[in-house]
Amino acid sequence: AQKITQTQPGMFVQEKEAVTLDCTYDTSDQSYGLFWYKQPSSGEMIFLIYQGSYDEQNATEGRYSLNFQKARKSANLVISASQLGDSAMYFCAMRDPPGGNNRLAFGKGNQVVVIP
Amino acid sequence: DAGITQSPRHKVTETGTPVTLRCHQTENHRYMYWYRQDPGHGLRLIHYSYGVKDTDKGEVSDGYSVSRSKTEDFLLTLESATSSQTSVYFCAITPGGVTHEQYFGPGTRLTVT
Repeated sequence: AQKITQTQPGMFVQEKEAVTLDCTYDTSDQSYGLFWYKQPSSGEMIFLIYQGSYDEQNATEGRYSLNFQKARKSANLVISASQLGDSAMYFCAMRDPPGGNNRLAFGKGNQVVVIP
Repeated sequence: DAGITQSPRHKVTETGTPVTLRCHQTENHRYMYWYRQDPGHGLRLIHYSYGVKDTDKGEVSDGYSVSRSKTEDFLLTLESATSSQTSVYFCAITPGGVTHEQYFGPGTRLTVT
């Protein structure tokens, strides 16, 4: 069974600074996908970034980057130049291997509060 | 905008009553999913569908059933609601492609009293 672990307590980060959110995963599959989602206080789930297990480069999307360390089974999200609008819950997720109907398993989330 | 709507957005119901939540998509995506979100648990998959009349269970399917008679609609039914089913319910779709990321509806907040 797959497992996603996000264990950091709530984080406070100064505006314009970078923040790293930890995510470790457990799988015996060679082919998998990793995702990060943002959930602001308004409640919607927003897709941020994707990393495939065979991707050699770390994924980047604007101010978001994914620090993918396959051997350590780690997929940390880095948010650069934090903005007040980055205050939210952030969820790491992993996709089932091919044939798994693209189901996602989610971690329990990291709370981030950006302070001015 | 992934074109996903959920109805109702909020509902309060009594224990033992049946409840049906609706997820509607406008893009004819094949895969649809129902999750519930509870404090301290993240999102957990209830049921999913990979086509009309093709559904399967997720990790927390007990007490829930689903139906998909049309591509655009995926219904989640609580046959006899219990207080433990008080939660926020999210529907999601996968457009496909290489990454298969999921896009979520706005959520339904269900309270069972």
